[in-house]
Amino acid sequence: EDQVTQSPEALRLQEGESSSLNCSYTVSGLRGLFWYRQDPGKGPEFLFTLYSAGEEKEKERLKATLTKKESFLHITAPKPEDSATYLCAGRGGSQGNLIFGKGTKLSVKP
Amino acid sequence: SAVISQKPSRDICQRGTSLTIQCQVDSQVTMMFWYRQQPGQSLTLIATANQGSEATYESGFVIDKFPISRPNLTFSTLTVSNMSPEDSSIYLCSARASYEQYFGPGTRLTVT
Repeated sequence: EDQVTQSPEALRLQEGESSSLNCSYTVSGLRGLFWYRQDPGKGPEFLFTLYSAGEEKEKERLKATLTKKESFLHITAPKPEDSATYLCAGRGGSQGNLIFGKGTKLSVKP
Repeated sequence: SAVISQKPSRDICQRGTSLTIQCQVDSQVTMMFWYRQQPGQSLTLIATANQGSEATYESGFVIDKFPISRPNLTFSTLTVSNMSPEDSSIYLCSARASYEQYFGPGTRLTVT
């Protein structure tokens, strides 16, 4: 069964304290690994798509990486405005739809 | 990229009634989708809205409960029919533009 698992469920950081979020996946015929940011009461905001192992993408303080089994979202020197839920999703399976993890809720304290 | 708008942004409805949610994309897209996000949960795909034909529903979702229309490449509607409190959720429209997929702001539905 296709599955995406994110860890930890919640992460509290001090401002400036770098860390990583994990996304493990078993998705048949993976056609992309997606990262989204979701603020309370809003829809998911697209961040990155990774297509092949070894690929990396960066945006401001965020860097996403991909291996054959997992993806990491590295947050360097986070700020309070980085607080949000980060969702990971794999596109694959028989229908090619996005399969979402449950998300990691990140809180960054000043 | 694609910018997606939804109407209404929120609504409070009575049990047994129906609500239609509209989704507008600012550009022509190949695929449109409807998701549900229950409180504290991740996203669950309801159906793929197909232009000019019947929507493709995921397991656990049926056309009688969630009829969907997609009359053109930029617009879709989702109706939540005969609502019960269990239908209280956020409903999200999504669109795929080339290889990337974008989401609307969501419609927060409360059924009393």
